[in-house]
Amino acid sequence: EVQLVESGGGLVMPGGSLRLSCAASGFTFSSYSMNWVRQAPGKGLEWVSSITGSGTYIYYADSVKGRFTISRDNAKNLLYLQTGSLRAEDTAVYYCAKASWDYWYFDLWGRGTLVTVSS
Amino acid sequence: EIVMTQSPATLSVSPGERATLSCRASQSVTSNLAWYQQKPGQAPRLLIYGASTGASGIPARFSGSGSETEFTLTISSLQSEDVAVYYCQQYNNWPLTFGGGTKVEIK
Repeated sequence: EVQLVESGGGLVMPGGSLRLSCAASGFTFSSYSMNWVRQAPGKGLEWVSSITGSGTYIYYADSVKGRFTISRDNAKNLLYLQTGSLRAEDTAVYYCAKASWDYWYFDLWGRGTLVTVSS
Repeated sequence: EIVMTQSPATLSVSPGERATLSCRASQSVTSNLAWYQQKPGQAPRLLIYGASTGASGIPARFSGSGSETEFTLTISSLQSEDVAVYYCQQYNNWPLTFGGGTKVEIK
């Protein structure tokens, strides 16, 4: 089955960090660019970060640049998002999303993992 | 950054009637525009890419049109299962950006 499953979310204090993971299955993971998109409670979608299949090219939203790091392990079919210096405004459901083979739209989404930043 | 503006914020449509959702880009995105559907409590799902190409498994009542800065998602005959928030996304330029969403309700 083609799917993405996120994990690693939870409650963290301001200034803290979490590593989110996304396990991919059912497709050739290394051939596709992967992405993180987040959604604050009751709000819309916000793109966070993207990485190409080989990991050569990486992109970040300004809101997370310098605090978050995206990476992937193609041998294990895993995508990661290392978050740091977390703020209350980072509270959101974080979705892992697969890009299409040729463009940066998202044709497969995981169910998401909730990150709550609060003291 | 390209700003995507969706209208209206909320759309109430009777079952079987047509729903028309708009998405405007602050500058040209050519045809690099996608639409997603997000039902309550669920992850988004791709509906349309390339402004007008339906994704796999999407019912034919969903269609997209437009180019450059003006785009439309049309649901030709609204069904109860179409109640959701619909988002547009441009992928022509970095950063990738989404519209604020249109909530579709049953009248």
